[in-house]
This record gives sequence, structure tokens and C-alpha cells, in this order.
Amino acid sequence: SAVISQKPSRDICQRGTSLTIQCQVDSQVTMMFWYRQQPGQSLTLIATANQGSEATYESGFVIDKFPISRPNLTFSTLTVSNLSPEDSSIYLCSVEPAGAGLEQYFGPGTRLTVT
Amino acid sequence: GEDVEQSLFLSVREGDSSVINCTYTDSSSTYLYWYKQEPGAGLQLLTYIFSNMDMKQDQRLTVLLNKKDKHLSLRIADTQTGDSAIYFCAETPAAGNKLTFGGGTRVLVKP
Repeated sequence: SAVISQKPSRDICQRGTSLTIQCQVDSQVTMMFWYRQQPGQSLTLIATANQGSEATYESGFVIDKFPISRPNLTFSTLTVSNLSPEDSSIYLCSVEPAGAGLEQYFGPGTRLTVT
Repeated sequence: GEDVEQSLFLSVREGDSSVINCTYTDSSSTYLYWYKQEPGAGLQLLTYIFSNMDMKQDQRLTVLLNKKDKHLSLRIADTQTGDSAIYFCAETPAAGNKLTFGGGTRVLVKP
């Protein structure tokens, strides 16, 4: 398995500002994923972040709005830019550790509220 | 595109068995997962199954897969109050690919 931590656990931000979310894993992983869970909804993939390459974004998500960094094999950040109330969601990172077969593990999530 | 469907809500009495159902449309789905999300918490991986398997059992959990009908179920034996949560099924065609999630089934266990 993998132990994943996220910072912050929650935040309240004003519209027009940005929030950067950190994801730290206790082991080296090749692939990290960022998901969004809107209130009362399921999870939707924002992007896949591989170390050493640009993140790959899903349809409907763009780099200008959700820039991602992946500086090493244990860490990634997701920034949600130019916040609007529609960005209020839980943001989760997940990883597929090497040697874990097909198990994907999720961080505890960051609950963002935009006022 | 891929689509994963779940019923919204399930109510069950403590000690009974719970069965949560999931259907998917992607015929290339190779790996199917069940996750549990408790209030205010992240997702906990419960179990997963390969598409070449019909059944997988892990303690109180039994996963059944009907590949022909693209139907997945999770049975929880002897349901406890701590099993109250939202359960998500998810699928992916290959390792390292994104997971496509169902909408989640909220399970309420009554004493």
C-alpha cells in the first residue's frame, strides 16, 4: 500500500484567488492522478501527472486553470487558479505504487470552499 | 465513452447482508474496484477483481462479476454500523490508466 498525505486538508478561499494543494507519498511512484469530487458527486479525473513530463489533462480541464507540478517521484502539487464558487469541491490525489499490482490509493482529500 | 452506474441508496439492518450493485458499459474494462468513503474522509480501497474472474472473497466481502452482463456486485456479510458509508465502484481498462467511477451508493446500516 501507500501512505498519502495532502495539504491543506481544507481551505476557504475568495473568488479570484488561487489555491495550491500538495500531495506527498511515502514511496516512489511513477503515476499520480488528481481527481475532483464536487458536492454530492462522484470522482472525475482532472489530470495524470508523471514525473519528468507534462501532465495529461482530461477533457474539460486545462492547464491554465489547473497547473500541476511533479518535481520528483514522491510529490506533486495541483493549483486551482482564478477560483469561482463552482470550484468548491474535494480534490484528491491518487497513486498506483510500484509492486502494488493494480491497486490505486487515494489521499484524504482537500476540501475547498470558494466564497 | 465509459459509463458506470450504481443505485443511489441502500438501507440494511445490522447483522444482515448488504448487496451493492454496479453496471458498466466499457467492454474493455479489465479491472474493477470497490472503494469506501466515510463522511469527511478520502477513499479506501476495499477490493478489486480482474475481468477474467467470476468471484473474489475477502473476509466479509464477496465480489461477483458477470462479464457478459457487465454487472459487478459487492456483498457485505454481517453488516455493521461501521459499514455505513458511500461505496463507489470503478473500472479501468489497464494498469496505470484512469479510473472511471460510478456515482456511489450510500449505505445506511440501521441498528
